Amino acid sequence: DAGVIQSPRHEVTEMGQEVTLRCKPISGHNSLFWYRQTMMRGLELLIYFNNNVPIDDSGMPEDRFSAKMPNASFSTLKIQPSEPRDSAVYFCASSRGGPQHFGDGTRLSIL
Amino acid sequence: GQQVMQIPQYQHVQEGEDFTTYCNSSTTLSNIQWYKQRPGGHPVFLIQLVKSGEVKKQKRLTFQFGEAKKNSSLHITATQTTDVGTYFCAGDNAGNMLTFGGGTRLMVKP
Repeated sequence: DAGVIQSPRHEVTEMGQEVTLRCKPISGHNSLFWYRQTMMRGLELLIYFNNNVPIDDSGMPEDRFSAKMPNASFSTLKIQPSEPRDSAVYFCASSRGGPQHFGDGTRLSIL
Repeated sequence: GQQVMQIPQYQHVQEGEDFTTYCNSSTTLSNIQWYKQRPGGHPVFLIQLVKSGEVKKQKRLTFQFGEAKKNSSLHITATQTTDVGTYFCAGDNAGNMLTFGGGTRLMVKP
């Protein structure tokens, strides 16, 4: 079975540019989570969707960050404009209400 | 909001020694989950504990959930180099969202 699929795996871009991260959850999973991982702050939950509806976005750092889930098989996390402090590994995870299954992550570097 | 603290932050052990990481939540949990992240990898689910005082074993790994459902521990007996990685606890307060601890990074010297 395919796991959670994220793209791109790596992204390097200059500050001020728009960045879009993509996630395909495991088929049949109705919960989707976006996390950010840094050395300083650890693993932080950014936003949680249930049945494609955003339930909790209190972890989204600021208005530059937005996330959508137009259907059960696709979600995006967008940063516009990007800043160097956004550099991190961004993970998407999905679940059916129990254990979460993580994708391989997107390593984002903002220069 | 809910906070989950994990200690120690780092642990170096000689191969064959035991290892323990401790997790403490500021609130009572519905369940607690443990994940392992290898260097350069992503968190991988290990186990979920639900009942007060629950103890579960997976080969050399022993997981405990405290009586008050606010703390937990992971103990590895006779560590091996394959145990290297960061171990995270994650608390679920019944809202389906997890609050991850800061993780304990385990390094094993062969």
